[in-house]
Amino acid sequence: DVKVTQSSRYLVKRTGEKVFLECVQDMDHENMFWYRQDPGLGLRLIYFSYDVKMKEKGDIPEGYSVSREKKERFSLILESASTNQTSMYLCASSLFNPTISYEQYFGPGTRLTVT
Amino acid sequence: KQEVTQIPAALSVPEGENLVLNCSFTDSAIYNLQWFRQDPGKGLTSLLLIQSSQREQTSGRLNASLDKSSGRSTLYIAASQPGDSATYLCAVTFGNEKLTFGTGTRLTIIP
Repeated sequence: DVKVTQSSRYLVKRTGEKVFLECVQDMDHENMFWYRQDPGLGLRLIYFSYDVKMKEKGDIPEGYSVSREKKERFSLILESASTNQTSMYLCASSLFNPTISYEQYFGPGTRLTVT
Repeated sequence: KQEVTQIPAALSVPEGENLVLNCSFTDSAIYNLQWFRQDPGKGLTSLLLIQSSQREQTSGRLNASLDKSSGRSTLYIAASQPGDSATYLCAVTFGNEKLTFGTGTRLTIIP
């Protein structure tokens, strides 16, 4: 079974703090993704990565950065947390193939509250 | 803009009934469509994935269909159980590797 883990289930941070959200997958997947989920807006893609040290912006990258130094780990960084970044953050991974899209497997989520 | 829509936002059904959840999308040029289940406060669990070349997929009591020409997919749940209560999300890969999600249908099975 594919396993995607996230470092924290719940996190409370203060405005202006630097926040790191960690995601690890154990199935040697090339692709990794970070989403945020908000009521009424659904899931929105923040960043994704096709390979180590590669990243691409999703639909809402503003205020976020990412790091992928190892294939199994994908980190989401909030350089200076703001209250509008309070949300549920979900990490996902999938295999990569240029001609077919594989299903994405999700972690349990991190509920971040910025006060 | 490529969009995915799920209507209704909420649905209540008596236990034992069969039911259909709907998903529509704006662009027929898709790579695949995926159905997920999400329990309150939890992550997403993948239920079924349909590639663009397929018309349906089945897993146990679940059957998902895909009609690209009309921009629609349905998730059929047979003999519903209280444990089926959850939010069901439809997601479409329009461009390579990137999923676009609907806002989900919250399903409640009434014992």
